[in-house]
Amino acid sequence: QVQLQQSGPGLVKPSQTLSLTCAISGDSVSSNSAAWNWIRQSPSRGLEWLGRTYYRSKWFNDYAVSVKSRITINPDTSKNQFSLQLNSVTPEDTAVYFCAREVGADLDYWGQGTLVTVSS
Amino acid sequence: QSVLTQPPSASGTPGQRVTISCSGSSSNIGSNPVNWYQHLPGTAPKLLIYSNNQRPSGVPDRFSGSKSGTSASLAISGLQSEDEADYYCATWDDSLNGSWVFGGGTKLTVL
Repeated sequence: QVQLQQSGPGLVKPSQTLSLTCAISGDSVSSNSAAWNWIRQSPSRGLEWLGRTYYRSKWFNDYAVSVKSRITINPDTSKNQFSLQLNSVTPEDTAVYFCAREVGADLDYWGQGTLVTVSS
Repeated sequence: QSVLTQPPSASGTPGQRVTISCSGSSSNIGSNPVNWYQHLPGTAPKLLIYSNNQRPSGVPDRFSGSKSGTSASLAISGLQSEDEADYYCATWDDSLNGSWVFGGGTKLTVL
């Protein structure tokens, strides 16, 4: 059974960097058949895909156009986890953030979600 | 504004059959398989249907999915009180550089 455990601060000041981590159990961040995604949900934007990282003989990243200039998703093979960094945040980045595993054409396992509020 | 269109709400009485629609376009539903999720606030979304009409192990056969052209549907038969939740459709969109896209969610109320 795959489990994704999220961690990170729930409050970030405007212009600072939002950082979250997703720890994986039951699979490997280096899996050749999975991709590791970040998705957020807010009342104004609904569910919004942010990006993913995956390993296919080397590491790849795909990012949503809307955040491409501000986002970094990194794998950490030593801890079997992956992270999200979103720079220069504004109140519009306030949302519940989810990590999720993608296998085939399915986002099959999700983390529990982390509410991140951007406020001074 | 969500890329996939769902009705914001649906309702039914115990034992009834309810359907939830999800409308998209040729670059998303028209080209890729659709997933459906059940979500209770504060918990991880649960995969109900994958590849348009397949149920993961453990999902009751009361839940079924279908797809036709650029639309998809989730049907719940034998409605139960524990089915009260938010339901979302999702698929990959081939436009721009590609991205996962989602419906706006349907709040199902069991009366």
